[in-house]
Amino acid sequence: QVRLVESGGGVVQPGRSLTLSCKVSGFTFDDYGVHWVRLAPGKGLEWVALISYDGTDKYYAGSVKGRFTVSRDRFGNTAYLQMNSLRPEDTALYYCAKGDGSGSGYGMDVWGQGTTVTVSS
Amino acid sequence: QSVLTQPPSASGTPGQGVTISCSGSSLNIGSNYVYWYQKVPGTAPKLLIYRSDQRPSGVPDRFSGSKSGTSASLAISGLRSEDEADYYCAVWDDSLSGAVFGGGTQLTVL
Repeated sequence: QVRLVESGGGVVQPGRSLTLSCKVSGFTFDDYGVHWVRLAPGKGLEWVALISYDGTDKYYAGSVKGRFTVSRDRFGNTAYLQMNSLRPEDTALYYCAKGDGSGSGYGMDVWGQGTTVTVSS
Repeated sequence: QSVLTQPPSASGTPGQGVTISCSGSSLNIGSNYVYWYQKVPGTAPKLLIYRSDQRPSGVPDRFSGSKSGTSASLAISGLRSEDEADYYCAVWDDSLSGAVFGGGTQLTVL
């Protein structure tokens, strides 16, 4: 079955970097985009980024643009979210999710269980 | 303030029906597919409706989605206690070049 497993979360100081991984299985990775979505304590779901099926198109929320970078490794069936210049407001549970299509215009269908990122001194 | 507007709360008694609205604009709901998710604390979001009115296999037919113009709705019939959760709409926004979520609706089954 379709499965996505996030890893790489942890506690990090403001201004530092962290890279999250999203290992997928059960579907043809090369055919679908991958979204990143976060859930901050006491807040609602916030879309973070999308990488298209072939990695050529990348989209970011305004709150992370210029600090976060998405990438993917087709041979490892893994998507990544590199987070730089982290801020306390980036503290959240980060989910990766399979896109319902190849890129923009489509939402998320299957979600991982999430990995927690805490930005604190 | 989200680009998509949802009521913060909704409620109903077991067996009743409830509808949750999601209001947007011509640049998001008016031109792209709407998705609906159920979020129970401690679990990952679950897809309820995709491409505005399609239900994934395994989702009960008590859940249905519709879209008209710049608004969308999620209807839940025959409410059950396990439907108590937060519900979110989501859509691609052409002006933002990104996806957006509604603020979420907390459903209480009285």
